[in-house]
Amino acid sequence: DSGVTQTPKHLITATGQRVTLRCSPRSGDLSVYWYQQSLDQGLQFLIQYYNGEERAKGNILERFSAQQFPDLHSELNLSSLELGDSALYFCASSSSQSLRVYEQYFGPGTRLTVT
Amino acid sequence: ELKVEQNPLFLSMQEGKNYTIYCNYSTTSDRLYWYRQDPGKSLESLFVLLSNGAVKQEGRLMASLDTKARLSTLHITAAVHDLSATYFCAVVSSGAGSYQLTFGKGTKLSVIP
Repeated sequence: DSGVTQTPKHLITATGQRVTLRCSPRSGDLSVYWYQQSLDQGLQFLIQYYNGEERAKGNILERFSAQQFPDLHSELNLSSLELGDSALYFCASSSSQSLRVYEQYFGPGTRLTVT
Repeated sequence: ELKVEQNPLFLSMQEGKNYTIYCNYSTTSDRLYWYRQDPGKSLESLFVLLSNGAVKQEGRLMASLDTKARLSTLHITAAVHDLSATYFCAVVSSGAGSYQLTFGKGTKLSVIP
């Protein structure tokens, strides 16, 4: 168990809908990262937040957005969903305080199925 | 743009045999990670390689990093069935307070009794 929690575990929704995925980082970790894993694209970095501020953006679609709240949990919002958005979405967190600095610990993931 | 290439993508090996997975990357980076993923599960951190010539070992797995060649290897010694999983290398891109991992496509390892 990495200490990173994600809810829900599974989500099934229809095209055109909007969903919110939630992530709680490990205790004390200030950075949160979101990744998408799909069969055709592999594991792709979406976005990073550090202590509430966006720090890096990867291959994140404009239909997707994220935020990190004062209690450090993060949410990934996916809107106008398409079939191709079906994937496993991972959240990871890291600390700048430990010896293994910046090592990312991954949550269990949310499996999104768009029908 | 950082590109990370792993090979092979699929590896079927007999128990007791040795094999090496390769990870090449296209631009300079100061750290590289190896992760393991079991089917339908999350990613488990195996190794963090921080400098040129770094070598880390855990059980039957040994990882090394050559930053000049932009190459990391994951060597499997005397494979056992429990090592069957997908292995990913990931390379760091960092700057101006940002930090992201670029992953290889993964190597799916099947160890056959």
